[in-house]
Amino acid sequence: NAGVMQNPRHLVRRRGQEARLRCSPMKGHSHVYWYRQLPEEGLKFMVYLQKENIIDESGMPKERFSAEFPKEGPSILRIQQVVRGDSAAYFCASSPPEGIDEKLFFGSGTQLSVL
Amino acid sequence: DQQVKQNSPSLSVQEGRISILNCDYTNSMFDYFLWYKKYPAEGPTFLISISSIKDKNEDGRFTVFLNKSAKHLSLHIVPSQPGDSAVYFCAVVIQGAQKLVFGQGTRLTINP
Repeated sequence: NAGVMQNPRHLVRRRGQEARLRCSPMKGHSHVYWYRQLPEEGLKFMVYLQKENIIDESGMPKERFSAEFPKEGPSILRIQQVVRGDSAAYFCASSPPEGIDEKLFFGSGTQLSVL
Repeated sequence: DQQVKQNSPSLSVQEGRISILNCDYTNSMFDYFLWYKKYPAEGPTFLISISSIKDKNEDGRFTVFLNKSAKHLSLHIVPSQPGDSAVYFCAVVIQGAQKLVFGQGTRLTINP
């Protein structure tokens, strides 16, 4: 039973390029969460999605950031026109249909570096 | 608005001794509290949790204590081992919102 899979593990982009981060939840899980960890800071909630629905995007920056979780395929976190301040570790987590039920399972993260 | 605070960015403990990590929260309506452990270049992994109806939960070397009147959570690790060196995050479950809110983390170093 594979865990939460994120790819790529490392992503390097130049300022102004687009970054696409992918997350496949654990088998049987239909809820996906994206968190960001800036250098020397804690984990900050970004967005919570179910299949084809954004449930809570209160932590998403208003511009340049978007997320989707299509009916088929992984969840995608998309950052357009990246800036140096976007450099961070982005973690995806998943939970079963009944909800968090006490904990989330996290992937290994994508380290985004913006040059 | 920091709902969960870990005021110690780092902690250093001798191997074999007790490690105590602390966490304070602001909202008395939180009903589930968790500790996650994170190694460099890895995702956070769940360690132990406690419901608000309890004041203690134990799992092997790890014990979590909840003091609701003080809105304070602590994690005790005894005896501490070198493999415990990691960053520890406390988190609360916001049930209605179906999400976790994390503290800033405490970097624990166990010295041989």
